[in-house]
Amino acid sequence: QVHLVQSGAEVKKPGASVKVSCTASGYTFSLYGISWVRQAPGQGLEWMGWISAYNGNTNYAQKYQDRVTMTTDTSTSTVYMELGSLRSDDTAVYYCARVHYYESSGYFDYWGQGTLVTVSA
Amino acid sequence: SYELTQPPSVSVSPGQTASITCSGDKLGDKYTGWYQQKPGQSPVVVIYHDTKRPSGIPERFSGSNSGNTATLTISGAQDVDEADYYCQAWDSSTDWVFGGGTKLTVL
Repeated sequence: QVHLVQSGAEVKKPGASVKVSCTASGYTFSLYGISWVRQAPGQGLEWMGWISAYNGNTNYAQKYQDRVTMTTDTSTSTVYMELGSLRSDDTAVYYCARVHYYESSGYFDYWGQGTLVTVSA
Repeated sequence: SYELTQPPSVSVSPGQTASITCSGDKLGDKYTGWYQQKPGQSPVVVIYHDTKRPSGIPERFSGSNSGNTATLTISGAQDVDEADYYCQAWDSSTDWVFGGGTKLTVL
């Protein structure tokens, strides 16, 4: 059974960084990529980026290019998303999601439970 | 950047058919998916690759994509289908993009 378990809620001050983890189980970690999606309070879903669990290649949304870093630890089947230079409008629930590849496209078939990051002075 | 547009809300009576649209420039050239999200829960994929339904998703959910519009159709909507629905598009140039979401009310 596939599970993605994320780290707990965080409270950060403006200008700080936050690192959220996503630990996978129930499948061969290296065969699937992981995407990160965030959702501000009362708002829609926003794709932030993707990382290959096979070789660590990344692809970030242009909006986050200069302040997000995604990494993997294959020894623990964990993916990390670090977002720097936090602002109040970064307050959101951050989700990791497994990317299922199907005929040269991909979709998100399993999601983590979400991690609330609150940015407040 | 690529944008997807959805109606903010759609209403349907129980047992009737609900259609939720998603529009974008040449959307038919991309692959689309649909996600259902209930309050306080993580999203769940209900349609992928335009028309495919994951295992465990009821047959009343179907999808289409042509021209500039993708459509999620729920045939015989039930109370449990009340949720927010997000379309998603992917191609090699835009990666993944989500629409703004549609609140489906079943009443």
